[in-house]
Amino acid sequence: EIVLTQSPATLSLSPGERATLSCRASQSVSSYLAWYQQKPGQAPRLLIYDASNRATGIPARFSGSGSGTDFTLTISSLEPEDFAVYYCQQRSNWPPNTFGQGTRLEIK
Amino acid sequence: EVQLVESGGGLVQPGRSLRLSCAASGFTFDDYAMHWVRQAPGKGLEWVSGISWNSGSIGYADSVKGRFTISRDNAKNSLYLQMNSLRAEDTALYYCAKALVEMATIEDWFDPWGQGTLVTVSS
Repeated sequence: EIVLTQSPATLSLSPGERATLSCRASQSVSSYLAWYQQKPGQAPRLLIYDASNRATGIPARFSGSGSGTDFTLTISSLEPEDFAVYYCQQRSNWPPNTFGQGTRLEIK
Repeated sequence: EVQLVESGGGLVQPGRSLRLSCAASGFTFDDYAMHWVRQAPGKGLEWVSGISWNSGSIGYADSVKGRFTISRDNAKNSLYLQMNSLRAEDTALYYCAKALVEMATIEDWFDPWGQGTLVTVSS
């Protein structure tokens, strides 16, 4: 089973700052990686799929990059509504679809 | 608008069974793979099971294999999860999720998700 490790566990930033979240896979997942956002009391929402494609309706400030084992989610300029938990997910080696443990993005 | 509404959760004793349902609307249900994902209280996401659009391909997490059964009824636009031999560690919010791309392989991304139904396993 492929293990995804996200870092940092918690990221404290201010609105307007740039956020960089990392996801590392225990073996190559090619570009089969997605990012989800989850706000308190809400279901997760797909942000990025296939490493760098924004899902429908996702603002351009969200971008994804990487391939193989190292991936990054970047939020160029944080808006108040961006503070949430972010999960990465792989589908290269199915089953299972594995998720990372999450990064909590909190207001500084 | 795509809607996924889960139901069937509740409090159940260890060793008992429960059947979850997910009612889908706003899209052509039988064109999409569907999945169940769970989240234990205060914890991260865990994929549970998935089923292809025609039920020809099915997969389970090791943690539920042999105890849970996923199924779908395309005529009723519904997804199900039969959960047997429930354990305390199965306590979680169970989400159903639609595959991103129609007629795609089962291992697709999840978009969107329902709001979930809570399963609590306790004596």
